[in-house]
Amino acid sequence: DAKTTQPPSMDCAEGRAANLPCNHSTISGNEYVYWYRQIHSQGPQYIIHGLKNNETNEMASLIITEDRKSSTLILPHATLRDTAVYYCIAKSSNDYKLSFGAGTTVTVRA
Amino acid sequence: SAVISQKPSRDICQRGTSLTIQCQVDSQVTMMFWYRQQPGQSLTLIATANQGSEATYESGFVIDKFPISRPNLTFSTLTVSNMSPEDSSIYLCSATRTGTHEQYFGPGTRLTVT
Repeated sequence: DAKTTQPPSMDCAEGRAANLPCNHSTISGNEYVYWYRQIHSQGPQYIIHGLKNNETNEMASLIITEDRKSSTLILPHATLRDTAVYYCIAKSSNDYKLSFGAGTTVTVRA
Repeated sequence: SAVISQKPSRDICQRGTSLTIQCQVDSQVTMMFWYRQQPGQSLTLIATANQGSEATYESGFVIDKFPISRPNLTFSTLTVSNMSPEDSSIYLCSATRTGTHEQYFGPGTRLTVT
C-alpha cells in the first residue's frame, strides 16, 4: 500500500466546509484512495473512495488531483457530529486489509 | 451494509488470565478481521479470520497469544491469552465482502488488564 501523509489536526467552524488534505505521492495505478473516520469510542466508519475521478456521496466529496498524488476530502457543511479522526488510506481494491496511519483529528467548533 | 456487534463491550481482567471476544455480523460476509487500538494510537491489524481454517496473522502477532476462530460466515472470536497490562487496548472486529469497497467495523471491546 502506498504511504499517505495527513496533517495531524485541524479545526473547522460548524456549518462551513471542511477540506481535509491527503498526500499519496507514491500511489500506484491500481490503488484507490479510501477515507474512513472514527468518532470517539466508536469503530471506524467508511466515508468514500475513488480511483481517479472525483466522487460524491451523501457524506462527503473526494477530489483527486490529475496526477493522483494527492486528494482532498470535503465535508460540505461540517456539524459538531463530524468531530472525529479521519483516515486516508491508499490500497488496491483486491487487498482487503486496511493500514491505518495516524489520521487527522478534526474538531468542529460551534 | 452489515451491522457488527461485539461482546463484551468492555472488561477488566487480571494479568495471566484470558478473555474471548465475540464478533457477530448480521449478514454473511466474505472476510473478517481483528484490529487492536492501543491507547491514543491508530488501529493495527492483528489477523484475518479465515472460515474453517487457521487465521492469517500479521507480523508481530502470533496464534498462541491471539487464537482466532471463525466457524461460519457471520461469527468470529478473538482470545487474548495470558494477558499483561500491555494488552490493555480496544479490540475491533471488521468485515467486508469480496468485490465491495466498504469495510464495516464493530464498536470495539475495551480491555483493561490490571
